[in-house]
Amino acid sequence: DTAVSQTPKYLVTQMGNDKSIKCEQNLGHDTMYWYKQDSKKFLKIMFSYNNKELIINETVPNRFSPKSPDKAHLNLHINSLELGDSAVYFCASSSGSRGLDTEAFFGQGTRLTVV
Amino acid sequence: QKEVEQDPGPLSVPEGAIVSLNCTYSNSAFQYFMWYRQYSRKGPELLMYTYSSGNKEDGRFTAQVDKSSKYISLFIRDSQPSDSATYLCAMSWSGSEKLVFGKGTKLTVNP
Repeated sequence: DTAVSQTPKYLVTQMGNDKSIKCEQNLGHDTMYWYKQDSKKFLKIMFSYNNKELIINETVPNRFSPKSPDKAHLNLHINSLELGDSAVYFCASSSGSRGLDTEAFFGQGTRLTVV
Repeated sequence: QKEVEQDPGPLSVPEGAIVSLNCTYSNSAFQYFMWYRQYSRKGPELLMYTYSSGNKEDGRFTAQVDKSSKYISLFIRDSQPSDSATYLCAMSWSGSEKLVFGKGTKLTVNP
């Protein structure tokens, strides 16, 4: 059973399009994250939700909008895609809340290519 | 100065070698220190986790934290080709879910 699953795994789209990435975790965790990994492998947090509440919102263009319908799901919608959005987007979850005492489990990543 | 600095390598060693991977950081509030391993086209997976200063050993892996020098290390003994991956250090502070990652070091262990 996959603990953190993301769909799609690969996404190729044209500039200006709107796309969504979905994430689901079956670990019963309260906290979920979106990370972006650029071409140089640098992994940076974008958003974090704890029990459907947004708790971390890094300096990310407002074209990116996360949505958490329930604590097991965290989706990422991106409007008006730009070339610079090309990256691998990782979803993660952890059971830690207001104190990192447990590990974050990462999904397989969604490789987004904007052409 | 970035919060977390990590030499991206790449690092290539023969099988059986001892590997030393390092990160330095600037934020003295960091208390939780982690090493993640990321295989090609996969998500990162937690390898070692240390709270505050000290050493932690798990099989062939040893993690060291020196808070006075703001320096952390991961040692891999008897390295194996299956250890070939990118190793990312990550840190956080109490009361935060935010992990701050280093850029990762790509390691290749040659048979």
